[in-house]
Order: sequence, then C-alpha cells, then structure tokens
Amino acid sequence: EDKVVQSPLSLVVHEGDTVTLNCSYEVTNFRSLLWYKQEKKAPTFLFMLTSSGIEKKSGRLSSILDKKELFSILNITATQTGDSAVYLCAVVNTNDYKLSFGAGTTVTVRA
Amino acid sequence: NAGVTQTPKFQVLKTGQSMTLQCAQDMNHNSMYWYRQDPGMGLRLIYYSASEGTTDKGEVPNGYNVSRLNKREFSLRLESAAPSQTSVYFCAGAWTGANEQFFGPGTRLTVL
Repeated sequence: EDKVVQSPLSLVVHEGDTVTLNCSYEVTNFRSLLWYKQEKKAPTFLFMLTSSGIEKKSGRLSSILDKKELFSILNITATQTGDSAVYLCAVVNTNDYKLSFGAGTTVTVRA
Repeated sequence: NAGVTQTPKFQVLKTGQSMTLQCAQDMNHNSMYWYRQDPGMGLRLIYYSASEGTTDKGEVPNGYNVSRLNKREFSLRLESAAPSQTSVYFCAGAWTGANEQFFGPGTRLTVL
C-alpha cells in the first residue's frame, strides 16, 4: 500500500520567517510528486517534481525531490499571512495516475 | 471557464437518507475523481473514472456509488447515509497523461 507522510502536522511562524515542510513516501510505482496549497476550499496546484535534485521555484516557494531517500521538501521564505494554509503532498502512481495524499501540514503565519 | 464545479456546497442529512453530489467540469478532462477529506487523514480516493463510460473503486468505496453521466459530469451517490460519511467531498478532473488534478470547491456533508 502506498504511503505518504508529511511533517510537521502543523506549525506557527511569524511573518518573515522561513518554513520547511517535509514529505516522505513509500510507493511501488512512482511517477511524480505534487504539492498543493489548500486555503479553506479546493486544493490548488503548486509544483510537480519528477527528477531528483532539480529545484522548482515560484516566487518565495521552492521544492526539491530526492528519489534515492524518497522525500521532498517545500520551502517558503519571507512568509506572509497569505501563506497560511494546509500544504498537501501527493504521489502519482505511474500505472493508473492515481494520487496518494499525505495528511497535510497546517501552516499559520502570524503578523 | 468555470473549471470544476460541485453542488451543493453544504448539506445536512439524517442517518438513512440518500443524496447525490454533483460534479461538472468544462476543462475537457477525460479522468474524474471523487475524494473525501477528514481531519488528520488527508484526501482519500472514493471512486474514479478514467474515461467516459468507465468507473473504478478507490481506497474507500463502501457506502458510495458513482455515475459518469457524460464526459463533463461525474456524480457521487450515498444510498443510505451514515454518520461515518460526515466529511468534505471533493471532485477533481485531469487530462489523460497529466499528473496534476484540478479540484472543485468541495461539499461539506454532515450526517446526523
């Protein structure tokens, strides 16, 4: 059974801090790893990672994948209150493209 | 484009009642999915449809049925609701061969 574990479950930071979120996985048919941001409603897509060691960046967010050690990290620098959300990690199965999600990390950014 | 839409947004049922959650997309997705989200458990796949006319069970299908009415619409039916089905339900769509899925706004269901 595919397993995706995110840590920490939640954290509280102050504006301007840097946040690092972790996602480890055990899957039998790995295709890619996805990060989503969920603010109250629908998860919205952030990044897709398929290759080890190649950093994806979007503004203050960045992410990297390690396929040898089976984990990914999501970094948020210079956090703002608008970064407060649940961040979800999901692994895509190469056979059927189904997603296996982690439980998510709740990030609260205080002004 | 509306993207992926779901109705209703909120619903309260009594144990044993039935209802259908509706999902529609105008993004030309071939694949559509139904998930439930419970605190501390992330998103779990209930059913999915890889293409029009096909449906398959996901991780937690018991107590649910689905219909892929056409390429645009994918409904989820609870025949006899139970309190354990209290959850937030998300519909999602994806293009064939694409990794990422696009999610609807969700339906918050409470079963008393």
